[in-house]
Amino acid sequence: DAKTTQPNSMESNEEEPVHLPCNHSTISGTDYIHWYRQLPSQGPEYVIHGLTSNVNNRMASLAIAEDRKSSTLILHRATLRDAAVYYCILSGAAGNKLTFGGGTRVLVKP
Amino acid sequence: GAVVSQHPSWVICKSGTSVKIECRSLDFQATTMFWYRQFPKQSLMLMATSNEGSKATYEQGVEKDKFLINHASLTLSTLTVTSAHPEDSSFYICSATPPLRASYNEQFFGPGTRLTVL
Repeated sequence: DAKTTQPNSMESNEEEPVHLPCNHSTISGTDYIHWYRQLPSQGPEYVIHGLTSNVNNRMASLAIAEDRKSSTLILHRATLRDAAVYYCILSGAAGNKLTFGGGTRVLVKP
Repeated sequence: GAVVSQHPSWVICKSGTSVKIECRSLDFQATTMFWYRQFPKQSLMLMATSNEGSKATYEQGVEKDKFLINHASLTLSTLTVTSAHPEDSSFYICSATPPLRASYNEQFFGPGTRLTVL
């Protein structure tokens, strides 16, 4: 499985944007870039995914580098409820297992 | 949206007993479900892939005779921790992918089951 590298933690102030980087230099052409987050004592939840183009949804935006070797998850206005561990994961064909790395722990200060 | 449930949400048992954890896809059918384990302050580790109607596929280092997986229907997979010991205490999480999300492999996770073995 292609590996991803993320910073261990990031801090943000409430109502400010958060930019979470992810490096995936060994990504293959068919790998989707997935982001999940895990709130304390809960199962992970899907945030967003992309293949080549930047993506937006109600939760976040995903900016993908032109060479696809890195991506950035953008939380536009962090709230206290966004405090979680965010995982960047590469996934190929349907039914493939997801391999979780260490993720980035996001702390949101009021 | 797709919902995956787990039961129980937490369980405490004595060392040497067996514990069964259920994972259900509530509004979709899942031919494949995944079981993860998460120790405190660590990331999720995939234990096995549960396949409906066939044997589960276990990750390297996971004892298949200790962690029994049964995927008897398209909406239910069970994980049985046999002869549980304190080192098996962990947060167990399952996931599944609805057919409509399969093309890009979006997985929906259950809320997790916290197992404590005394």
